[in-house]
Amino acid sequence: AQKVTQAQTEISVVEKEDVTLDCVYETRDTTYYLFWYKQPPSGELVFLIRRNSFDEQNEISGRYSWNFQKSTSSFNFTITASQVVDSAVYFCALSEPGNTPLVFGKGTRLSVIA
Amino acid sequence: KAGVTQTPRYLIKTRGQQVTLSCSPISGHRSVSWYQQTPGQGLQFLFEYFSETQRNKGNFPGRFSGRQFSNSRSEMNVSTLELGDSALYLCASRPQGTNYGYTFGSGTRLTVV
Repeated sequence: AQKVTQAQTEISVVEKEDVTLDCVYETRDTTYYLFWYKQPPSGELVFLIRRNSFDEQNEISGRYSWNFQKSTSSFNFTITASQVVDSAVYFCALSEPGNTPLVFGKGTRLSVIA
Repeated sequence: KAGVTQTPRYLIKTRGQQVTLSCSPISGHRSVSWYQQTPGQGLQFLFEYFSETQRNKGNFPGRFSGRQFSNSRSEMNVSTLELGDSALYLCASRPQGTNYGYTFGSGTRLTVV
């Protein structure tokens, strides 16, 4: 069965600090897809990234970067030089091939303090 | 391009009543999924519809049901509401094909009193 664990329930940082959100997943499939979503106070889940299991290249998008390591079943997310607007709940999610639903972690609430 | 639209945004119902929530997916998206979000359980999958057929179902009681129309719009219904049904209900759509990123709506916040 699939499972996603986000061990950090809440993180608080001061603006301009770097912060890493951890995500560990479990799946029996060799092919799978990993996602990160951001949920601001408005409630909408905003898609950030999708990564398939065959692509272990790290990715950088502006201040965001993702570190995918199959050896440790982790897909961690780093925000560099955090800003107050980064305050939100961040979810890591997993799906297996076929028409399978997303399985979400419990989320990490990030508070960036000015 | 319009996003996923959910109506209403907020709803207050009394125990025992029933409720219908609506979701309009992004134009061209034929898959619509529903999730329930609560502080205790997090995000839990309810069901997915594709081309008017339920393709997947989560582990929820039969009081939770849904349907999809020919224009891909979807509704979910909860009958005999319980206090524990209070939650944010999120709808998501995606293009045909597997495992693309879902686009979520802003949700309907249901409060059962």
